[in-house]
Amino acid sequence: GDSVTQMEGPVTLSEEAFLTINCTYTATGYPSLFWYVQYPGEGLQLLLKATKADDKGSNKGFEATYRKETTSFHLEKGSVQVSDSAVYFCALSDWGHNTDKLIFGTGTRLQVFP
Amino acid sequence: GAGVSQSPSNKVTEKGKDVELRCDPISGHTALYWYRQSLGQGLEFLIYFQGNSAPDKSGLPSDRFSAERTGGSVSTLTIQRTQQEDSAVYLCASSLAASSGETQYFGPGTRLLVL
Repeated sequence: GDSVTQMEGPVTLSEEAFLTINCTYTATGYPSLFWYVQYPGEGLQLLLKATKADDKGSNKGFEATYRKETTSFHLEKGSVQVSDSAVYFCALSDWGHNTDKLIFGTGTRLQVFP
Repeated sequence: GAGVSQSPSNKVTEKGKDVELRCDPISGHTALYWYRQSLGQGLEFLIYFQGNSAPDKSGLPSDRFSAERTGGSVSTLTIQRTQQEDSAVYLCASSLAASSGETQYFGPGTRLLVL
């Protein structure tokens, strides 16, 4: 079945460092790909998404490019802030199975220190 | 406008009791989803509604779990004869329509603890 694999955390960085969180997927159809973020004490919220190959999603300085050839959707940010500390979830939905349920990775905790 | 709301925010119950969890989706959203988040299993899909019907119930872990949606709006997730392994945060999400790439908006969750 469809699945998402993302790098284990926690990822610990100093403020202004470059961030990469790796995400790869397995899908039988043509999935849409998402990054959701969960800030401490808050609910899940969409960070960015891409719905077809080579699309780039971006928001709040974060970017991810849908790479079909490597089945990847890695999250990047050029300069992280303390306020970016959160848990990040990569996810996919694959309408080819007549449902757009989200399949999530295990989440990666990011800790940014001043 | 108002987001997805869920009630109660916390629920403590004894093993063997039944519980009901409620979700109010964003007004006008026709698709509604239930997920649960637990330490051992991560985030997992339970069931999805399009209108009042449930085309995908594949994630419900056992027949103790059921859900309904009425009037194309509010949904209730019921867990009968709760077990300790049911302890988790139950998340509801809604979207304008079920389709590829549609954004799902999540509620704050109900934290369930079964003693």
